[in-house]
Parts: sequence; structure tokens; C-alpha cells
Amino acid sequence: GIQVEQSPPDLILQEGANSTLRCNFSDSVNNLQWFHQNPWGQLINLFYIPSGTKQNGRLSATTVATERYSLLYISSSQTTDSGVYFCAVAGANSKLTFGKGITLSVRP
Amino acid sequence: ETGVTQTPRHLVMGMTNKKSLKCEQHLGHNAMYWYKQSAKKPLELMFVYSLEERVENNSVPSRFSPECPNSSHLFLHLHTLQPEDSALYLCASSQRLAGGYYEQYFGPGTRLTVT
Repeated sequence: GIQVEQSPPDLILQEGANSTLRCNFSDSVNNLQWFHQNPWGQLINLFYIPSGTKQNGRLSATTVATERYSLLYISSSQTTDSGVYFCAVAGANSKLTFGKGITLSVRP
Repeated sequence: ETGVTQTPRHLVMGMTNKKSLKCEQHLGHNAMYWYKQSAKKPLELMFVYSLEERVENNSVPSRFSPECPNSSHLFLHLHTLQPEDSALYLCASSQRLAGGYYEQYFGPGTRLTVT
């Protein structure tokens, strides 16, 4: 199956800083999603982005499918951005495979 | 209610108990999923139902028994669980079209502890 690697595994930021989270995958994909898991376990949809670039407020994402990676950008980070960020991809079988996640801590 | 809901949010059960987890989606989707999230492990897909038919079963032990009575409801029946089954169980839904399955939306999860 498709392998998903996220980096860095942990990230500590000062409030107001910008960051880039990376997701590499091992095969062509039909689906790529970024999620934010809050401290209560809820997975919140950030982007559905199998290719191209999208922006939503302070967050944006770019997927370069031909090079098998996706980037999530967080600008002007806030303490509420803390949590775990997951990248998940699906190939031809449509089965969503998750990476191990990136734990982000934003300090005031 | 909107989105995907799950009940109960927390469950503590003994190894000899029988309990059920419930998931309901209000998004008009036709595919539903159960995932397991254990400490320090990636989310694992357990079951997929599409149009109320099970289309995926990822080698899940028989002590987990899913049920999908209609496209809006999904259950996970639990019996004779082991302590290692303690985890966060997440339900999700998506639309399935001819081209495949699309964006998945998750419920808040059920935190299960097996004693």
C-alpha cells in the first residue's frame, strides 16, 4: 500500500510565527486530505487537495502530485493551532492511509 | 445535529461485557467508515460500508462486529474485548461516486477503555 511520511514529527513555535508541514507519499494518489486533531480527539477537515493550491484564512496547502508531496502552511500561528496535523492519502483503491502526524505546540 | 455524531463519547467496559458504538451522519453521504486510533500509532481503517454493503474489512478480530442498517447509521458491536482494544474509535463518512470515494468527514470519536 501507499506509504505516508510526515515531517517534522514535532514542531514548537512562538505565537505569530509561520510554519511549513510536509507530507511525502510513495505512489500516485486520487485523494489527499489534511486534518487537525484537537486535544479532545476530533479530526477537523482542513483541506481536500489531491492536487493544486488552496487557501483558507491563515492556512494554505499545496500538493504537487507529480513529485508526490504536499505542504501545509500556517501563517501567524495562534495557540489554538496547537494539536496534531495529519496528512492522509488514497490511491486507486480509495482506502485512506494516514501518516503518523505532526505535533504542533504554539507558545504564547 | 450536523455533520457526523458518535455516541457514547466515553465508554469503560469489562472484558466480558457487550456494548455498541453508534455513529450517525447528517451529510447525505453513502459511505461510512470505522477507524481505530491507538496511542502512538497511525489511524487504522477497520471497516468500510458503501451503500450499506461492507466493502472492506481490514483483518479485524471477530470481537468487533459492524452493522450498517442504512446509509445514515453505523454501529460497532463489541464483545469480549481485550485491554489492548482500548483506543479512540472514529467514525467517518464520505460520498462514493463512480470515480471513487471523496472527502471524508469524521465524528468526535468514542474513547474506549477496556478493564
